[in-house]
Amino acid sequence: QITLKESGPTLVKPTQTLTLTCTFSGFSLSTSGVGVGWIRQPPGKALEWLALIYWDDDKRYSPSLKSRLTITKDTSKNQVVLTMTNMDPVDTATYYCAHMIWSIPNAFDIWGQGTMVTVSS
Amino acid sequence: QSALTQPRSVSGSPGQSVTISCTGTSSDVGGYNYVSWYQQHPGKAPKLMIYDVSKRPSGVPDRFSGSKSGNTASLTISGLQAEDEADYYCCSYAGSSWVFGGGTKLTVL
Repeated sequence: QITLKESGPTLVKPTQTLTLTCTFSGFSLSTSGVGVGWIRQPPGKALEWLALIYWDDDKRYSPSLKSRLTITKDTSKNQVVLTMTNMDPVDTATYYCAHMIWSIPNAFDIWGQGTMVTVSS
Repeated sequence: QSALTQPRSVSGSPGQSVTISCTGTSSDVGGYNYVSWYQQHPGKAPKLMIYDVSKRPSGVPDRFSGSKSGNTASLTISGLQAEDEADYYCCSYAGSSWVFGGGTKLTVL
């Protein structure tokens, strides 16, 4: 059974850097064809894809946020970390991590429960 | 990279069918057969309903179907049930990135 869970601060101040951790079980990020992505959703608004990392450390970023995002993995800890710099109130959102696998290509088949992040001074 | 265009809302009565459209460009929807659809109930995480334009993951009822023509993908839900009331999002691969739609609220009357 695959599960993912996001963790991190619930409140950050403007201009600060946000660090979120996705801890997963039921799969390994060293297995060929596996990826973990991050997606966010501001309150009452649509989903927005942010970043994805593959088993081979290939990384993809949203073109509009690329300069602010870094995604890394720690295979031994079954974790993926997303950092977002220069946080702004418009970045207030629920942040989700999600699983991707070669057999269901380019779709996020299993999602974490999400973690709400508020940006406010 | 702009969000895919979906109608803000659709509605239907139990037993009826509804179709939700998702319009993109030749750089995303029209360029790849990698459109997926997600169902999201209030306060819950999204759930994958359709991938590869028209394939259903295990456990998703065959009342849910997907298709694509040109730059527009569609999700059709037949035999509407009360539990289908939710927000629906399309998503397309866009060549090294992914883009979601603005979401459609489905109301079951």
